Amino acid sequence: GNSVTQMEGPVTLSEEAFLTINCTYTATGYPSLFWYVQYPGEGLQLLLKATKADDKGSNKGFEATYRKETTSFHLEKGSVQVSDSAVYFCARYSGAGSYQLTFGKGTKLSVIP
Amino acid sequence: NAGVTQTPKFQVLKTGQSMTLQCAQDMNHEYMSWYRQDPGMGLRLIHYSVGAGITDQGEVPNGYNVSRSTTEDFPLRLLSAAPSQTSVYFCASRQGVLNTEAFFGQGTRLTVV
Repeated sequence: GNSVTQMEGPVTLSEEAFLTINCTYTATGYPSLFWYVQYPGEGLQLLLKATKADDKGSNKGFEATYRKETTSFHLEKGSVQVSDSAVYFCARYSGAGSYQLTFGKGTKLSVIP
Repeated sequence: NAGVTQTPKFQVLKTGQSMTLQCAQDMNHEYMSWYRQDPGMGLRLIHYSVGAGITDQGEVPNGYNVSRSTTEDFPLRLLSAAPSQTSVYFCASRQGVLNTEAFFGQGTRLTVV
């Protein structure tokens, strides 16, 4: 089926460290791919997206590149801040014409000063 | 901009009680969805609607009911609450084009005792 697998946390980093959160998807078609972020006590909000192979989504210093050859969409940031502490979800639509966003299980990131 | 508004934010129910979780959006979005978020499970789709008068089941619909009488509102009804329905519920909306971002409400934390 159509699924998303992301690395499970929690992940704890020191401020200014490099962040990578891995995400892979099942290769059914060429889905749009998303990273959502959930700050404590809030709903999910879109962090970045990519709609086709080799696209790079970026926002707030975060980047992710749509890699068709490895079916991956890894999230990276060069220097994390305490304010980046949140839960990050990788997501895709379930297929052509689908209305369902399929989410990974989420990765909790804690950044310590 | 209000975006997607969910009420209430917190609710405690006794087993067997019924209640309605409210969701309203002011962006004139066609698609609306309800998800539940459980630890280690990511978000799972309960029901969705592609327009007023049209609803369909998602991945985990049992025990829930929905209706869509207007574009703005998409209430979720728990018919007879069970402890297994203890969760955080999120409503989301988006435009009708496949690659568009979904906007989420801030969530309703429901506890069934």
